Amino acid sequence: AQRVTQPEKLLSVFKGAPVELKCNYSYSGSPELFWYVQYSRQRLQLLLRHISRESIKGFTADLNKGETSFHLKKPFAQEEDSAMYYCALSGASYSGNTPLVFGKGTRLSVIA
Amino acid sequence: DAMVIQNPRYQVTQFGKPVTLSCSQTLNHNVMYWYQQKSSQAPKLLFHYYDKDFNNEADTPDNFQSRRPNTSFCFLDIRSPGLGDAAMYLCATSRGLTGSETQYFGPGTRLLVL
Repeated sequence: AQRVTQPEKLLSVFKGAPVELKCNYSYSGSPELFWYVQYSRQRLQLLLRHISRESIKGFTADLNKGETSFHLKKPFAQEEDSAMYYCALSGASYSGNTPLVFGKGTRLSVIA
Repeated sequence: DAMVIQNPRYQVTQFGKPVTLSCSQTLNHNVMYWYQQKSSQAPKLLFHYYDKDFNNEADTPDNFQSRRPNTSFCFLDIRSPGLGDAAMYLCATSRGLTGSETQYFGPGTRLLVL
């Protein structure tokens, strides 16, 4: 069964400090990992996905299959980064792709 | 230029009174999803449509049904809402079902059951 764990419910950092939002997953097959973000009063939207290997708004995330992790990082936090962040996993199996499974989310608060 | 629209944004219903939530999309995507999200919990997939093919998650209660009359619209019907069904309901779309597909979400409908 697929499972996504985000151990921190709330993370507060000062502006300019590094940020790391943790995500661990459990899946026996080949995972596709995503980070979705929800800013205040806005809809849930894709931030980045591991397959793209890109940096979005200064955020990066590396899939570590050995540690089954997909932590989200940014070297210098900005106030506009304050939001709810969800890690999500989709799996590939013999019967097709499995649905997207979300973690419970981490609320990032960047303090000026 | 809203791409996934949900109406209404807030819905109040009475215990046991059927309620329908609606979702529409302008993206012409093949797949439409319904998620339930309770406070401080992860969005949980209820079911999805790939075109006209309906896929129900194994643990979705029978009380929840869905209809997709055309590509653009999808409805969530709750036949007899209980207090435990109070939640945010999110609609999402994607082009296809491959693992790397991006899902596009609507703003959600918050359901309150009195």
